[in-house]
Amino acid sequence: NAGVTQTPKFQVLKTGQSMTLQCAQDMNHEYMSWYRQDPGMGLRLIHYSVGAGITDQGEVPNGYNVSRSTTEDFPLRLLSAAPSQTSVYFCASSFRTRTDTQYFGPGTRLTVL
Amino acid sequence: AQSVTQPDIHITVSEGASLELRCNYSYGATPYLFWYVQSPGQGLQLLLKYFSGDTLVQGIKGFEAEFKRSQSSFNLRKPSVHWSDAAEYFCAVEVNDYKLSFGAGTTVTVRA
Repeated sequence: NAGVTQTPKFQVLKTGQSMTLQCAQDMNHEYMSWYRQDPGMGLRLIHYSVGAGITDQGEVPNGYNVSRSTTEDFPLRLLSAAPSQTSVYFCASSFRTRTDTQYFGPGTRLTVL
Repeated sequence: AQSVTQPDIHITVSEGASLELRCNYSYGATPYLFWYVQSPGQGLQLLLKYFSGDTLVQGIKGFEAEFKRSQSSFNLRKPSVHWSDAAEYFCAVEVNDYKLSFGAGTTVTVRA
């Protein structure tokens, strides 16, 4: 049971490039989400999904796309990277009840030059 | 809007001393509250959570938190800190349907 995995761990992009951050979980969790963490701002929700085929926007969705074709995977796509997207990105998952614990991946540190 | 405030950006505490981290929330209904810890270079780990019932909640690693509705607070405490408790701590509230709103975090430094 690997929990929540994220790849890559580190990434450097140039402005305008696109890329996909991968997130996978093997706990059969229905709920998955993406957060970004910036100094002094805590974590902010980008997008989330309550099950395969269902996604919705969080607090800061602009510049990011998601899809959820399987229960296990929830990739985050940066369409045209900007320096403002330099951040640490965390994926999380949980069972679909309000009282269940959200499990976080180890994070991806992204730098956009 | 629902929000969480952690007034202390950085706290330094001596090993063996007690620790208290403050968290204030703004939420209209009964809040679901959480404390997470993030060690350097790691993801977040849940320390404890409050949904209802007993207002004193026990968590992992010897932490506890007390929910005080009258003060809109959910402060985290540990009686005696260890060097391994040096980390960043986040308070969070569930704003609706599984979405969490996080505070800005408190960094804890433990001195020998």
